[in-house]
Amino acid sequence: AIQLTQSPSSLSASVGDRVSITCRASQDISSDLAWYQQKPGKGPKLLISAASSLESGVPSRFSGSGSATDFTLTISNLQPEDFATYYCQQFSRYPLTFGGGTKVQI
Amino acid sequence: EVQLVESGGGLVQPGGSLRLSCLASGFSFSSYGMSWVRQAPGKGLEWVSSISRSGISTYYADSVRGRFTISRDDSKNTLFLQMSSLRAEDAALYYCAAGATAPFHWGQGTLVTVSS
Repeated sequence: AIQLTQSPSSLSASVGDRVSITCRASQDISSDLAWYQQKPGKGPKLLISAASSLESGVPSRFSGSGSATDFTLTISNLQPEDFATYYCQQFSRYPLTFGGGTKVQI
Repeated sequence: EVQLVESGGGLVQPGGSLRLSCLASGFSFSSYGMSWVRQAPGKGLEWVSSISRSGISTYYADSVRGRFTISRDDSKNTLFLQMSSLRAEDAALYYCAAGATAPFHWGQGTLVTVSS
């Protein structure tokens, strides 16, 4: 199975900051990577698919980049509602796999 | 509005069975593959199973293959997960998700507890 390593596992930031989360795949997955946001007590929300394609309705302060094995989720101008846990997920091949998550907190 | 409502979770003894259901609305259910993803308390997300839009192709995590069966009833806009031979490590919040690769919408989950 393809392993995804996310870093950092947690980070502290302030409103207005720019933060970056990285996701490294154990093998080449082209651009078959998605990013999700999860808030406590809620199901995950798809933010970005195909590594850099922003889902409809997702604020433009979220952006994704990368290909092959190295990917980055960037949140610019961090807002109070952005404090959550973020996961990457590969869909290059089954079994689908997720990164371990990054908790963004104040 | 897209809605996915899971049901069927509960307390079951080790070795027991449960059938989870997910009622979909607000989108063309039959046009999309579907997935189940679980999350143990305080842990990350773990993919469990996916089914193609036709229902012909099914996929499973190694940890559940042979014990869990995913299926769908397009006439009722409902996704199922039949779980048998349940183990303590299967205890989790089970999410239904629309999409068989990068799920684009998720439910609120149904809790499965495995304990004697």
